[in-house]
Amino acid sequence: DGGITQSPKYLFRKEGQNVTLSCEQNLNHDAMYWYRQDPGQGLRLIYYSQIVNDFQKGDIAEGYSVSREKKESFPLTVTSAQKNPTAFYLCASTIGVGSPRGAFFGQGTRLTVV
Amino acid sequence: GEDVEQSLFLSVREGDSSVINCTYTDSSSTYLYWYKQEPGAGLQLLTYIFSNMDMKQDQRLTVLLNKKDKHLSLRIADTQTGDSAIYFCAEAAPGNTPLVFGKGTRLSVIA
Repeated sequence: DGGITQSPKYLFRKEGQNVTLSCEQNLNHDAMYWYRQDPGQGLRLIYYSQIVNDFQKGDIAEGYSVSREKKESFPLTVTSAQKNPTAFYLCASTIGVGSPRGAFFGQGTRLTVV
Repeated sequence: GEDVEQSLFLSVREGDSSVINCTYTDSSSTYLYWYKQEPGAGLQLLTYIFSNMDMKQDQRLTVLLNKKDKHLSLRIADTQTGDSAIYFCAEAAPGNTPLVFGKGTRLSVIA
């Protein structure tokens, strides 16, 4: 079955450490996205990528970095510069940005700073 | 600019109809979507409507679009406890721009 896989489901980070969240899709989608979800805040866009080796900042990119070396993979690194990283992170993909078929989402990674 | 507004909470009794409302500001939006999120999970696409349509029905779900008022609603008939979740409205503007999501409406179904 095609879909988006995020790992790990739960992640704990010590202050000052960088951590990388994995997102893999086998839907053959060109565009991939990272969102952050906080209670009562809805989804906020961190980064998105329309094509391999290209990505754009979203609304809250500071303290995060991404890469898109393969079509299937779009990992997100939460750096030590992100002052409040505890949140639920969601990865999504679409056939193309602006596709009418909407976005497919992974099951999320909950990151907690300890 | 783009902004999508939703009320944060809705509570209904099992068997009643639920109506979740959404307003958007980008009149050039091409598609509008409803997503469902269960606790601790990702978002699941429920339905979408093209901007030149007024209504779309899919089993228990009815989507109404009022382009003049930029108002979108999702009606769930015969609401069940399994419908308890957060429902997100989202809009797609023309061109290569990501979907814009509302903050979500938490639906609680009382048995």
